[in-house]
Amino acid sequence: QKEVEQNSGPLSVPEGAIASLNCTYSDRVSQSFFWYRQYSGKSPELIMSIYSNGDKEDGRFTAQLNKASQYVSLLIRDSQPSDSATYLCAVSVIGGTSYGKLTFGQGTILTVHP
Amino acid sequence: ETGVTQTPRHLVMGMTNKKSLKCEQHLGHNAMYWYKQSAKKPLELMFVYNFKEQTENNSVPSRFSPECPNSSHLFLHLHTLQPEDSALYLCASSLPRRGGNTGELFFGEGSRLTVL
Repeated sequence: QKEVEQNSGPLSVPEGAIASLNCTYSDRVSQSFFWYRQYSGKSPELIMSIYSNGDKEDGRFTAQLNKASQYVSLLIRDSQPSDSATYLCAVSVIGGTSYGKLTFGQGTILTVHP
Repeated sequence: ETGVTQTPRHLVMGMTNKKSLKCEQHLGHNAMYWYKQSAKKPLELMFVYNFKEQTENNSVPSRFSPECPNSSHLFLHLHTLQPEDSALYLCASSLPRRGGNTGELFFGEGSRLTVL
């Protein structure tokens, strides 16, 4: 069983639409949740982090966390072609030697077409 | 200068060669990491260093040997690799937060390794 699971896509949405990316995780003690964006040929960059249940908004991005259901999602409003990338969900456990010990999903490829 | 710099960006080596990957961070972070990214597979954590001390070795084969001389530099020494080791090797750094964990990693551009 995969520890962090994402729909690999590709997910294709028209420009201006809402893109919805989902992620589920298996370890109930997970405490920190992250979304990274990776453009083709580039390294991942952090776009959102969320630690508490509920929604967290940052510009056009909204992260949603539901620990009871063990899922985290990312909504991208008013999608732009420049949002086309692979989105990586990452999960970690707080404490001890768990510095940066992220478990990544396989990524969802998003394509925003004009 | 960029935050996390990796060299070389591309490396081709034979199975009997010995080479090293270098990573340098200019962010004042205390933790550094090596991740492996292979096609169609999730990013895999290889090693973690906190304040120059190795705190994680994720069952990595001994043909990969990390070295962290200080909090700003990290190396990955490679020897007798296999073709299946061909991948993108990503270095990252972070500043630990209270509670002992941060997932807010800053990645370098990666070193693309091809083993013939």
